[in-house]
Amino acid sequence: EGQLVESGGGLVQPGGSLRLSCAASGFGFGSLGMTWVRQAPGKGLEWVASIKEDGNEKYYVDSVKGRFIISRDNAKNSLYLQMNSLGAEDTAVYYCASGRMWHVIWGQGTMVIVSS
Amino acid sequence: DTVLTQSPGTLSLSPGERATLSCRASQSVSSSFLAWYQQRPGQAPRLLIYGASSRPTGIPDRFSGSGSGTDFTLTISRLEPEDFAMYYCQQYGNSPWTFGQGTKVDIK
Repeated sequence: EGQLVESGGGLVQPGGSLRLSCAASGFGFGSLGMTWVRQAPGKGLEWVASIKEDGNEKYYVDSVKGRFIISRDNAKNSLYLQMNSLGAEDTAVYYCASGRMWHVIWGQGTMVIVSS
Repeated sequence: DTVLTQSPGTLSLSPGERATLSCRASQSVSSSFLAWYQQRPGQAPRLLIYGASSRPTGIPDRFSGSGSGTDFTLTISRLEPEDFAMYYCQQYGNSPWTFGQGTKVDIK
């Protein structure tokens, strides 16, 4: 059964940067698009970014365009999210999820807190 | 952006009852590209339905989805204790993908 494990979350000051990682196992990672979804404390789900199987096409929600970069390394079965110019509005649990449209496999999430 | 409005906000029911959750889109969702997720407190979401009515492997058949265009429904035929949770719809037909605000199903 497929598994995703996120890491890299933590406390960061406003304007700072953070890089999230997601390690995949138990499924054909290189054959699937991948997605990051976030959830602010006590709030609903928000799609953040997606990437195609080969990494050549990337998609972002407007609020993170120009600040976040999604990438992947299929040789390492890993997905990444480079987050720059972070603001309080980026505080959330960040989930990686399989697929570019619907998401069967989810990680447990990693918490990002943006605060001084 | 396609806004998804879920109703009701909270649904209070007893185990064994039928639950009907609604998801209405602000514009037509292409090709019925709509999914439903369940989220229990402290857990990651779990996919229940994709393509408006298809169930992934392992999802019990008491969960069913229907609808097209702008109106979609998730039905839980008989509530089990583990079904009391939050439910979100998501559309992936119109960019950017968007989620509804959620419906909480709690025990009456």
